[in-house]
Order: sequence, then C-alpha cells, then structure tokens
Amino acid sequence: KAGVTQTPRYLIKTRGQQVTLSCSPISGHRSVSWYQQTPGQGLQFLFEYFSETQRNKGNFPGRFSGRQFSNSRSEMNVSTLELGDSALYLCASSSGTGRSGELFFGEGSRLTVL
Amino acid sequence: AQTVTQSQPEMSVQEAETVTLSCTYDTSESNYYLFWYKQPPSRQMILVIRQEAYKQQNATENRFSVNFQKAAKSFSLKISDSQLGDTAMYFCAFFPDGGATNKLIFGTGTLLAVQP
Repeated sequence: KAGVTQTPRYLIKTRGQQVTLSCSPISGHRSVSWYQQTPGQGLQFLFEYFSETQRNKGNFPGRFSGRQFSNSRSEMNVSTLELGDSALYLCASSSGTGRSGELFFGEGSRLTVL
Repeated sequence: AQTVTQSQPEMSVQEAETVTLSCTYDTSESNYYLFWYKQPPSRQMILVIRQEAYKQQNATENRFSVNFQKAAKSFSLKISDSQLGDTAMYFCAFFPDGGATNKLIFGTGTLLAVQP
C-alpha cells in the first residue's frame, strides 16, 4: 500500500509569491491534516480536512488555506509569502479520527522563502 | 492551556542500553490519547506508541514502553536495548479535543543519539 505522498519535496520562493503544496493520502483515508514544522515554533497544526470539509483549523493567518478533493487528495496554499513561512510542511492522513486510528505522515515539503 | 512539555532537548545513549524520554502535558479533558512519534533524520515521522488515557495499563510495543501517570500528567517513553536505528527526534503528542479530530499538539521534541 502506497504511503502518503507530498509534492513537491523542495521548493524555493521569494517574498510576496504564493505556493501550492499537494498531498495524496493513503488509499481509503478520508482525513488529511497539515502541520508546519520550524526550528523555532516546532510542529504546529494548520488544518484538517475530512471528506472535502474543513474539520479543524489552527491559529494561522488567512494567507494559509487548503482544500480537499473528492478523491481525498489535498492541497494547501500560502499566499503573499513571508520569510517566516520557511518551514517543512507535513501532511498526515488517517482513516478516521484520533479515536479510531493513527496518523500517517508524508516526508514533507520543504519551503524556503528568500 | 493544552500543552506538551519535553524538558530534554537532547539525549545520548550507548547501543544496547536503556533510555527514558520525559514528557508532561496539560489538559482538562478526562479522556484523551497520547502518542510518541519518531522522526529520523530526513525521513518521515512514524508512530512509536500510543496510550489511551482511560486505560491504566501502560502500553508496550516491542522495545518501547511508556510510563503513564495520569494524575501527574506524565507520559515518559522507555527504549530498551537501544539500537543505532533509534537515532531520531522523538515527539510526544496528544489530541486536545479527545480525538474528535486529527489535530495533534506536539512537544518540542527530544533529539536522541544512539552511540555505537
């Protein structure tokens, strides 16, 4: 069974640009959640989608947005990039909620903002 | 506030020895789920062990076990017979909403180095 796939793995952008990251969950998983990992702030929850609906959202500005498609693939978008957005963005998929299953993480998309 | 604290930023252990990683948390939930995740260098994060708060028995997974003290809100990870492949960042985490969604709160991590 294929794992969680994130693309692109690495990317470099400049301030003010926007970026879209993609996540393909494990087949059959309907939940996709996103996390930002930085040396200073650690791992922080961005948002979670379940069956195309945002189920939970972290404390990030509106520049961070996401969506989920009918095949459960998810994208997150960051507009008007700032230097502080440089981070490893992790996607995790699950078959249900924390009560019923575990989160499976992808390898991440490493974003560098110059 | 619902938080997770890992007070050991870095630890080192000799191969084949035992090491314990500490974690404390704060929550007002009565039932919740606690986790230890492992993130090897440049590799994806994987679940090491999971504990449900209403279960008094400590979880074990092969060489990995936890010491769960609910009253003290403590959740330490013991790694027995440490192996070189255990070298990784270890994160303690829990669901702040009782597992109703997949929002995890993570600690800052403990970087474990297993020495040959």
